[in-house]
Amino acid sequence: SQTIHQWPATLVQPVGSPLSLECTVEGTSNPNLYWYRQAAGRGLQLLFYSVGIGQISSEVPQNLSASRPQDRQFILSSKKLLLSDSGFYLCAWSKAGVDYNEQFFGPGTRLTVL
Amino acid sequence: GESVGLHLPTLSVQEGDNSIINCAYSNSASDYFIWYKQESGKGPQFIIDIRSNMDKRQGQRVTVLLNKTVKHLSLQIAATQPGDSAVYFCAAPYSSASKIIFGSGTRLSIRP
Repeated sequence: SQTIHQWPATLVQPVGSPLSLECTVEGTSNPNLYWYRQAAGRGLQLLFYSVGIGQISSEVPQNLSASRPQDRQFILSSKKLLLSDSGFYLCAWSKAGVDYNEQFFGPGTRLTVL
Repeated sequence: GESVGLHLPTLSVQEGDNSIINCAYSNSASDYFIWYKQESGKGPQFIIDIRSNMDKRQGQRVTVLLNKTVKHLSLQIAATQPGDSAVYFCAAPYSSASKIIFGSGTRLSIRP
């Protein structure tokens, strides 16, 4: 069976500090990978998605970047965090090349920037 | 642009009653819809999906209805239980089959 891991679970960082959130998927190969951000009490905003190693698409201009160094690893980064980067970050995967395709979400990382 | 939204941000129901959560969408070409459940502090979990060639699909205690004429879908939960307390999102693909857009969510609370 497939599983998706995210770490850390919670993170408190000062403004201006760097960020690295990691997501890994097990039990599948060549998945589509996604990073979402969810503000408190709000819906999910797609930040980045990837259909393969080194292939990253950005959905919204922002202070964040993403990388996919390995097939089942997806990293969300920032060089200098802003207060507005606080939120609940969710990684998700879906099967590649399949229509009518659900996404499977990780447990999330709650980031607080002070 | 394309949008998927929910009618009510909150819904309170009596335990044991049926819950109906509504969602509207703007893109008449949307051909696949998904309902997710998100419990507090967790990632969303898939509940049920429906393709546009169907108008009804049933799962365990859940039913999704799709009305393409008015671009509306609903999630019905039978005999609502305390464990059903969560935020419910409808979602639909946009731009490509690889991406989905989420509605803003309805928070379902259960009265004992």
